[in-house]
Amino acid sequence: AQKITQTQPGMFVQEKEAVTLDCTYDTSDQSYGLFWYKQPSSGEMIFLIYQGSYDEQNATEGRYSLNFQKARKSANLVISASQLGDSAMYFCAMREGRWGGSEKLVFGKGTKLTVNP
Amino acid sequence: DAGVIQSPRHEVTEMGQEVTLRCKPISGHDYLFWYRQTMMRGLELLIYFNNNVPIDDSGMPEDRFSAKMPNASFSTLKIQPSEPRDSAVYFCASRQFSNQPQHFGDGTRLSIL
Repeated sequence: AQKITQTQPGMFVQEKEAVTLDCTYDTSDQSYGLFWYKQPSSGEMIFLIYQGSYDEQNATEGRYSLNFQKARKSANLVISASQLGDSAMYFCAMREGRWGGSEKLVFGKGTKLTVNP
Repeated sequence: DAGVIQSPRHEVTEMGQEVTLRCKPISGHDYLFWYRQTMMRGLELLIYFNNNVPIDDSGMPEDRFSAKMPNASFSTLKIQPSEPRDSAVYFCASRQFSNQPQHFGDGTRLSIL
């Protein structure tokens, strides 16, 4: 079974609108971390936001927020007020176990977001 | 602060040649990771180090691949002999101790002809 599932291969959004990118995960650990990375067409991987399994509040970083629903094992990325520069691949990733244990990040297949003017 | 630095950015070589990819992590980061990205398999972890010691190399595809970290500021990933199926983008990433994200380099685009 896949550890990280991103069901949307591609998404389109109008500039200035909000968009939600889906991510579901599979783990039996109580302690884990969830990450979102952005990969523009230039190829680099840019860290966006992190959510720990014990964090009670949803993580936010500027226009990015993470809609964390632990019981449903989902960690959706919400981008508010989309900009043309947000067009990129977006990857959800998970680290299982407590910090100091395994450092392995498992990535989803990604969602390609296109922001239309 | 400088980010993770990888070299070369692009490498094209013929099958059977030795390939060496290089990485300089962010100063002060204790962990270093090597990833490979392909269309078929996505982004997958090959190996990671903690304080220069290899911790998990279960993702290294076969004996043709080897990685070293002789000191805290330098790591290499070698492929010998290279094969066309090794063509991919190879990323190096580093991070500090707990509760910090991994920071990626710009990657090396490797093409084996």
